Amino acid sequence: QQQVKQSPQSLIVQKGGISIINCAYENTAFDYFPWYQQFPGKGPALLIAIRPDVSEKKEGRFTISFNKSAKQFSLHIMDSQPGDSATYFCAASAFTGGFKTIFGAGTRLFVKA
Amino acid sequence: GAVVSQHPSRVICKSGTSVKIECRSLDFQATTMFWYRQFPKQSLMLMATSNEGSKATYEQGVEKDKFLINHASLTLSTLTVTSAHPEDSSFYICSAPLGTSGGAQQFFGPGTRLTVL
Repeated sequence: QQQVKQSPQSLIVQKGGISIINCAYENTAFDYFPWYQQFPGKGPALLIAIRPDVSEKKEGRFTISFNKSAKQFSLHIMDSQPGDSATYFCAASAFTGGFKTIFGAGTRLFVKA
Repeated sequence: GAVVSQHPSRVICKSGTSVKIECRSLDFQATTMFWYRQFPKQSLMLMATSNEGSKATYEQGVEKDKFLINHASLTLSTLTVTSAHPEDSSFYICSAPLGTSGGAQQFFGPGTRLTVL
């Protein structure tokens, strides 16, 4: 129940294309869904996040789509650039009984120039 | 956004020695901090939750006596890897949440690369 399943494991996209990463969760207690971007040798950095009362959130080229009934959410990167090449982690957080964040397994994105 | 720092960024030590890693929240107070371990090409694995003023909470399978955590103040948590061995070599990352309700954001440190020879 604590798992967050993320797919695909790796993704290769042409420059200018759309990158799509999907995640699914089981525990309905999660109330905050962030996406993190991590470059090699660096800590994760918050990219964009959404709460379950919203179905979509857009920040620049990054959009989260959230389907509460299906317990799924996805990250769309529009006009993907080589600089977007990194590992992306979805996560789900809950503050019940203490703050807890569960991370997906990660998706390695490579954007070809 | 909030800033979390870690020191050192990289450490190489001999087997059997102890290594201390510091995690600081630079512009906010954190009563809770988290310590993660990350192996190459893998996700972050939560090791323990550091609580200011009380004992740390360890995840299942993490040895308390091996990974000592001290939350010395509202801005500092330390992780000491005691009697380090090569299998402890990993990337250690701390984080601190800002906010106390749903939607609290986690801010991560830059990580510490530990290599045990």
